[in-house]
Amino acid sequence: NAGVTQTPKFQVLKTGQSMTLQCAQDMNHNSMYWYRQDPGMGLRLIYYSASEGTTDKGEVPNGYNVSRLNKREFSLRLESAAPSQTSVYFCASSYLTGGTGELFFGEGSRLTVL
Amino acid sequence: QQQVKQSPQSLIVQKGGISIINCAYENTAFDYFPWYQQFPGKGPALLIAIRPDVSEKKEGRFTISFNKSAKQFSLHIMDSQPGDSATYFCAASMSSGGSNYKLTFGKGTLLTVNP
Repeated sequence: NAGVTQTPKFQVLKTGQSMTLQCAQDMNHNSMYWYRQDPGMGLRLIYYSASEGTTDKGEVPNGYNVSRLNKREFSLRLESAAPSQTSVYFCASSYLTGGTGELFFGEGSRLTVL
Repeated sequence: QQQVKQSPQSLIVQKGGISIINCAYENTAFDYFPWYQQFPGKGPALLIAIRPDVSEKKEGRFTISFNKSAKQFSLHIMDSQPGDSATYFCAASMSSGGSNYKLTFGKGTLLTVNP
């Protein structure tokens, strides 16, 4: 049982470079999310996809784009990385309806922007 | 505007003691209140959750107390163990119509349990 898989686990970028964080889940969940975690700031929602074919902005969407490629995959793209985007990024998934509402998180992608 | 306020930011407890973490929320439409536990280098994982139709929920050594009128809820860890050392996040969401569990998280509490 892989659960939620994120790649890469670590990445160092220079300011202005672009990159895509990949996320895949094998639990047949409808909803997927991207969060960032910064010291003292908790987990902040960047974008989410309630179901395949839909995406919506979260609390801190500026500087990011997302693609819900299919039911399993949800990617996060940084078009022009900035030092303020240095963070640990977590992908999560959940059922859209029913269940306990539990979010299942990946192990994170640590990004450093120089 | 911070919708879920969590305190304390860090907590040190001796083995066997009681750990208490508090959260307060502002949005009265919130109807789902989970706690997540995160170990270093790992993603958060659901620990225990409560809905506002009950005032307390207990699972083993972990208890959530919920006060709807005060808009507060807390996590109590009884007989705290060194293995409980982790970061704890409270969260809240609106599950209107049973759809879209988009959570708002508190800023987290780093718990250290000394042996």
